[in-house]
Formats: sequence, structure tokens, C-alpha cells
Amino acid sequence: AQSVTQLDSQVPVFEEAPVELRCNYSSSVSVYLFWYVQYPNQGLQLLLKYLSGSTLVKGINGFEAEFNKSQTSFHLRKPSVHISDTAEYFCAVISPEGGADGLTFGKGTHLIIQP
Amino acid sequence: DSGVTQTPKHLITATGQRVTLRCSPRSGDLSVYWYQQSLDQGLQFLIQYYNGEERAKGNILERFSAQQFPDLHSELNLSSLELGDSALYFCASSSETIGTDTQYFGPGTRLTVL
Repeated sequence: AQSVTQLDSQVPVFEEAPVELRCNYSSSVSVYLFWYVQYPNQGLQLLLKYLSGSTLVKGINGFEAEFNKSQTSFHLRKPSVHISDTAEYFCAVISPEGGADGLTFGKGTHLIIQP
Repeated sequence: DSGVTQTPKHLITATGQRVTLRCSPRSGDLSVYWYQQSLDQGLQFLIQYYNGEERAKGNILERFSAQQFPDLHSELNLSSLELGDSALYFCASSSETIGTDTQYFGPGTRLTVL
């Protein structure tokens, strides 16, 4: 079984400042890692995913994440945020053995952009 | 727009009732997943279907059931509803059933049980 911990439930940051949203996972097997974003009153949209290879993954909207196996982390970063980045961000994992069990999500981090 | 559609958008019902939520996956996707998002439990995987067959079960209650039809749309049936079943229910679809596939999420159905 896997679990995901998002260390911050809420992160306020000023517009144009950098941001890092933290994610740690626990699993007895290797996993694939994902970050999804949920804008108000909408479904989830994939930002980026790590499957294998380079540990730095670039996604949409200027976001990137770095996989760190030794620290079992997959933190999400953006060098300069905009008001439109205000949303809920979810880190998720899935076992490579298949779609079985579906995605395991963290509790989410609410990113609040202050003008 | 993910290409996944869910109906209805909102549903208000009473305790003890039964409801059906509907999901149409993206064109060509064979796999459908159902998730529940609630304030106390967060986002939880309920069940997965692949090409009409059940593939995986998560934290789905016995009062809940699902099926996937030959045209690949899926329905989630919730019965003997309780107040605690109030939540946002998402459907997601992917082309296959392996972990590398991106799951595309629909806009969700908000269920309110009074």
C-alpha cells in the first residue's frame, strides 16, 4: 500500500514570487508520481508526472517537480507565480503494476496568491 | 476540457434514497475510474472498470456499485444514502489500465444528502 503526505495544507505567496509545494510518499514498491491541479469548481488536471529517467520533470503552466528517491519526495516548484495559479494542488502515486488500486492522493495544498 | 463528461452536475437527495451518477469517458479510452472527494477523507479511489470488466476496488462501500456498459460509459450507483455520503464524485478515464497512463478527470458530480 502507498501513502502520500502533503506537508502544507495552505501556502500563501505573493504574486511573481517563487513557490514550492512539498510532497512525500511512502511505498513498499516503486511508484509513479503525479501532480494534479484543481481550480475552483472544476475537475483535476494533470500538471506533470514522473515515470522514470531524469528526476527533474517539467509540466504545464511553468511548473516543474523533482523526484528524490532517497528522501521519497516529489516537490513541485514554480519560479514565479501568477494570480491564476490560485488552486488546490494534489500529489498522487500509483503502482507500476497496473491501474489496480487507482491513484493514491495526498490531502492537497491550497495555493493562495496574494497581489 | 478533459473530454470526460459527468451527469448530473449537482444532485440533492434524502437519506435512504438511491442515486445513479453517469460518466462518459474520453473517446477511445477503455478504462474508467471513480473517485470520491470529501472534506474529511480527501480524494479516495473507489473502483475501476476496464472494457466492461471490474479491474480494481478501492475504498468502495458495499452500498455502492458500478458498471461499465458496452459503449464504455459507466454508472456509479449509491444506495441507502447517508449524510456522510455527501461529496464530490469524480470519474476519470485512461486509454489502458497501466500506471503510466494519464487519468483524465471529469468535472464531477456534487452529491448532497439531506
